[in-house]
Amino acid sequence: DQQVKQNSPSLSVQEGRISILNCDYTNSMFDYFLWYKKYPAEGPTFLISISSIKDKNEDGRFTVFLNKSAKHLSLHIVPSQPGDSAVYFCAASAEGGNQFYFGTGTSLTVIP
Amino acid sequence: DTGVSQNPRHKITKRGQNVTFRCDPISEHNRLYWYRQTLGQGPEFLTYFQNEAQLEKSRLLSDRFSAERPKGSFSTLEIQRTEQGDSAMYLCASSLVPGEGYSGYTFGSGTRLTVV
Repeated sequence: DQQVKQNSPSLSVQEGRISILNCDYTNSMFDYFLWYKKYPAEGPTFLISISSIKDKNEDGRFTVFLNKSAKHLSLHIVPSQPGDSAVYFCAASAEGGNQFYFGTGTSLTVIP
Repeated sequence: DTGVSQNPRHKITKRGQNVTFRCDPISEHNRLYWYRQTLGQGPEFLTYFQNEAQLEKSRLLSDRFSAERPKGSFSTLEIQRTEQGDSAMYLCASSLVPGEGYSGYTFGSGTRLTVV
């Protein structure tokens, strides 16, 4: 049972434009959410997080939005750069982060 | 500190053999996690330790899998009598206990296991 879903396996965006990556979850007990970025042959790298007490968190070019009523979060990258090309995973946790459930990832390609 | 270190990076083994992987976490992190990732999937939780205590195990962790963290520092994951379905990337991660300033896990680069 996939509790965290990323329904878009891939996304292509022109350099300088906005990239929007989406993630849906089913478990209403999830209270902490992370986005990770993964390059080939490397482990995932932490990107940005948000707790359920917030609806937005921003870090430079990266902003995560959380809509608890829709059980939906999104990652916005503005402006997109070719170095952002990677697989992005969202992850969610209940009970203070003991175990994270990951989505299947979205492969982002930023076209120069 | 150079981050989370995993060895070996790649392992090819014959079905039925035992394999052991090692993870060295970030030294100040007291939590250590093992995840498994197969092609086209996100990482799946296997188990985690807080210091030397193994606090949770997934049902994915069959009897053939055992993990240890004997002194609360490095950890090993052993798979006995490997099967072809065990072929995956095994990821180790470490973190502080969730709380103020928590920023999730730091992952290692993984050990890619191929069972032939």
